[in-house]
Amino acid sequence: DGGITQSPKYLFRKEGQNVTLSCEQNLNHDAMYWYRQDPGQGLRLIYYSQIVNDFQKGDIAEGYSVSREKKESFPLTVTSAQKNPTAFYLCASSTGQVAGNTIYFGEGSWLTVV
Amino acid sequence: AQSVTQLGSHVSVSEGALVLLRCNYSSSVPPYLFWYVQYPNQGLQLLLKYTTGATLVKGINGFEAEFKKSETSFHLTKPSAHMSDAAEYFCAVTAMNSGYITLTFGKGTMLLVSP
Repeated sequence: DGGITQSPKYLFRKEGQNVTLSCEQNLNHDAMYWYRQDPGQGLRLIYYSQIVNDFQKGDIAEGYSVSREKKESFPLTVTSAQKNPTAFYLCASSTGQVAGNTIYFGEGSWLTVV
Repeated sequence: AQSVTQLGSHVSVSEGALVLLRCNYSSSVPPYLFWYVQYPNQGLQLLLKYTTGATLVKGINGFEAEFKKSETSFHLTKPSAHMSDAAEYFCAVTAMNSGYITLTFGKGTMLLVSP
């Protein structure tokens, strides 16, 4: 089935460590996104990418990095510079730069700092 | 800049009662508006969206929303709540970021349904 796969579902990180969250889609979508979700805060945009080898910072990019080497993959690295990384992370994709296009979401990954 | 305000972080209804979740938006361009639902520990699923045309939009699971430009609103309704409707609901508006299209979300409304 077509969709967006995020892994791992649950991840624990020690302070000072970098971790990478995987996101793969087989929808042939050009655009991909990373959102962070905290209780009561809604979803906030971390990074987005419209094409391979191109990505843009969102509203809360500090302490995060991404790459887009393949159309179907958009991994997110949470670096040690991110001071409060414990959150639910959602990867999403859409067909591209047309306003009104639906953005589809993966099942999310929980990151906890221990 | 675009923004979304959802009134009420929690809404409680009885099974069979009307569901009304409020969403107001701010947009400097004609808005494209979305409602998503999120069940615990899962991603977001699209309920419905407004792009152009008819202002009353019907979605999945019996939900509908009406775009009212004069009120800058896009409230979500369902005539009769089911227990399975208990979830968190997010309203979103298309946003332009440095020439790229993204979505800006409200903070969400948790719908609680009691028997």
